[in-house]
Amino acid sequence: GIQVEQSPPDLILQEGANSTLRCNFSDSVNNLQWFHQNPWGQLINLFYIPSGTKQNGRLSATTVATERYSLLYISSSQTTDSGVYFCAAANQAGTALIFGKGTTLSVSS
Amino acid sequence: GAGVSQSPRYKVAKRGQDVALRCDPISGHVSLFWYQQALGQGPEFLTYFQNEAQLDKSGLPSDRFFAERPEGSVSTLKIQRTQQEDSAVYLCASSFARTTNQPQHFGDGTRLSIL
Repeated sequence: GIQVEQSPPDLILQEGANSTLRCNFSDSVNNLQWFHQNPWGQLINLFYIPSGTKQNGRLSATTVATERYSLLYISSSQTTDSGVYFCAAANQAGTALIFGKGTTLSVSS
Repeated sequence: GAGVSQSPRYKVAKRGQDVALRCDPISGHVSLFWYQQALGQGPEFLTYFQNEAQLDKSGLPSDRFFAERPEGSVSTLKIQRTQQEDSAVYLCASSFARTTNQPQHFGDGTRLSIL
């Protein structure tokens, strides 16, 4: 089945810094989603991005499906960006998302 | 409702007891998914419903786990004869699409602790 790997596993930033999170997947996928899990455990969908680039405020994501990776960019980070960022790829049947282990981001003021 | 609603928010049970976890998806969403998230890990797929049909239950870890969605809306995940390794957060997600080809929206989860 599809395997999803994320890097780095942990990231510590000062407020205002920029960062790039990476997601590699083992097989061609027809969709890729990014999520943020906040310190209270809520899992928020950030992007549905099977290919191309999308932007939402300070966040943007790019997926290059032919090269089997996706990137999440966080600009001008804020303390509220802290939490765990997951990418997830759909299985071939389209019935489940396969999650990576996440990148834990800590932003300090 | 505006979002996916799960109840209870927390559940503590003694080993061997049966538990039932409820998920109320976003109104009109066809697809409903259950995931299990162990501490420090990403969510792992358990089962998938399209309306009332359970189309994929390949992630259910044992026959002690059972899920249903009888009217194509509310779903219940039942765990029989609970064991300590069942302790985890159980997340429910729903989607407008008939497959994973639309964003999935998650509830806040049920944190299950087995003593």
